[in-house]
Amino acid sequence: QKEVEQDPGPLSVPEGAIVSLNCTYSNSAFQYFMWYRQYSRKGPELLMYTYSSGNKEDGRFTAQVDKSSKYISLFIRDSQPSDSATYLCAMSANQAGTALIFGKGTTLSVSS
Amino acid sequence: ETGVTQTPRHLVMGMTNKKSLKCEQHLGHNAMYWYKQSAKKPLELMFVYNFKEQTENNSVPSRFSPECPNSSHLFLHLHTLQPEDSALYLCASSQDGGTGGHGYTFGSGTRLTVV
Repeated sequence: QKEVEQDPGPLSVPEGAIVSLNCTYSNSAFQYFMWYRQYSRKGPELLMYTYSSGNKEDGRFTAQVDKSSKYISLFIRDSQPSDSATYLCAMSANQAGTALIFGKGTTLSVSS
Repeated sequence: ETGVTQTPRHLVMGMTNKKSLKCEQHLGHNAMYWYKQSAKKPLELMFVYNFKEQTENNSVPSRFSPECPNSSHLFLHLHTLQPEDSALYLCASSQDGGTGGHGYTFGSGTRLTVV
C-alpha cells in the first residue's frame, strides 16, 4: 500500500461548480497536511496548510483533515477557469526535518 | 519568480554527457531538496540538505550527484543518464522542515530529456 493515495483524474467541471479533491494515507504518524497547486510549466505552490485534524478555510478554499479515517480533502467553491491546475496533497510526520510525502496530484480543468 | 531559481529551464542531453542543474534560494531557508517529477507518479524525493549537510539520500543512483556548497545553492550533477531519467527536476527550500506553516517553496523546475 502506497503511503499517500490520490486519484490523478483528470477532473473536468463547469465554472461555478464545487470541486472536491481527496487523498488517503496509511501512516498514522502524519500530522502536517498541505495542498499544493501546480500550473503547467511551473513548480508547485503552497495553497493550504493544516496541522492535525480539523478544517481550515481561505477564501474559496477549504481544507479538511480526518485523522481517524486517514483522509484529507480540499474543497473549491465557485470554481474558476484560473483554478485549472494540478493539485497535490502532501504530508509529514513531524517537524524534525522529515521530508514531505506527496500524492500523485489530481489534474483539474474548469471550463467557462 | 517564487524565490527559488532553477537553471536551465530545459536541458537535452545524450547518455554520455555530463551536465549540472543549478538551484538558488535567497529566502534564508536552512533546508534544500531535489525532487523528481514524472508523469502519473508522485513527486519522488531524491536528496535533502539541512544547513549544507546531506541528511537524506533516497536510494538515488550514483549517476546523480548532489552538491550543496552553502545553504543558498544546490547543484545536481548528471552523468551517463538513461532515457528513463527524463523528467521534471524540482528544487525546493524550506525553513524548519516546511512544517511551520509555510511548507516548501519550489522552483519552476528543469525539464530534462535524455536522448
